[in-house]
Amino acid sequence: SYVLTQPPSVSVAPGQTAKITCGGTKFGGNGVNWYQRVPGQAPVLVVYDDSDRPSGIPERFSGSNSGSTATLTISRVEAGDEADYFCQVWDRGSDHAVFGGGTKLTVL
Amino acid sequence: QVQLQESGPGLVKPSQTLSLTCTVSGDSIRNGGYYWSWIRQEPGKGLEWIGYVHYSGSTNYNPSLKSRVSISMDTSKSQLSLKLSSVTAADTALYYCAGHGLGDPFDVWGQGAKVSVSS
Repeated sequence: SYVLTQPPSVSVAPGQTAKITCGGTKFGGNGVNWYQRVPGQAPVLVVYDDSDRPSGIPERFSGSNSGSTATLTISRVEAGDEADYFCQVWDRGSDHAVFGGGTKLTVL
Repeated sequence: QVQLQESGPGLVKPSQTLSLTCTVSGDSIRNGGYYWSWIRQEPGKGLEWIGYVHYSGSTNYNPSLKSRVSISMDTSKSQLSLKLSSVTAADTALYYCAGHGLGDPFDVWGQGAKVSVSS
């Protein structure tokens, strides 16, 4: 089964670029999805299928996948971006969802 | 716009059964293209997928919880439910319901229901 590894925390100053990684075994062609969770609020999908953005999500949010490491990039970081970010894939063989451990983004 | 709202007891005693309900509004729970999952986050840990149910009746569970979990749907009430038996303190978590296509991202989430397991 998949194990997704994320750094526990990332810190960045406002206006700078934050990169959050999600690594582990090969994703095997499965698209990686990213969620933002602000405490007290419902999680929000910010990137899906490696690099697509749902409607309403700012262009500042982008994603990439090298095959064994997926990266969520947040450009021109704002205070409102401070949240926990989780990556997720579906194990196609079993149709089980797997999440990374989450990364807390702190805006300095 | 689909909206989800979890509800249920916030406190459950050890060894008892945790029961939560998720009410779906804004779209039909019978939408054949949609699956409905339960996901939880234990304090200080990442998200853990518990399992899903589909209108057809099919279910799929996380192997680590499969022996204790049951997810079902009541279409007349537009609700899905989660039952987790023989709970321990390790089941203390924030429980979410979420909707998605098969193999697709979770694109709609509830606010979450906090459940503590304690005597």
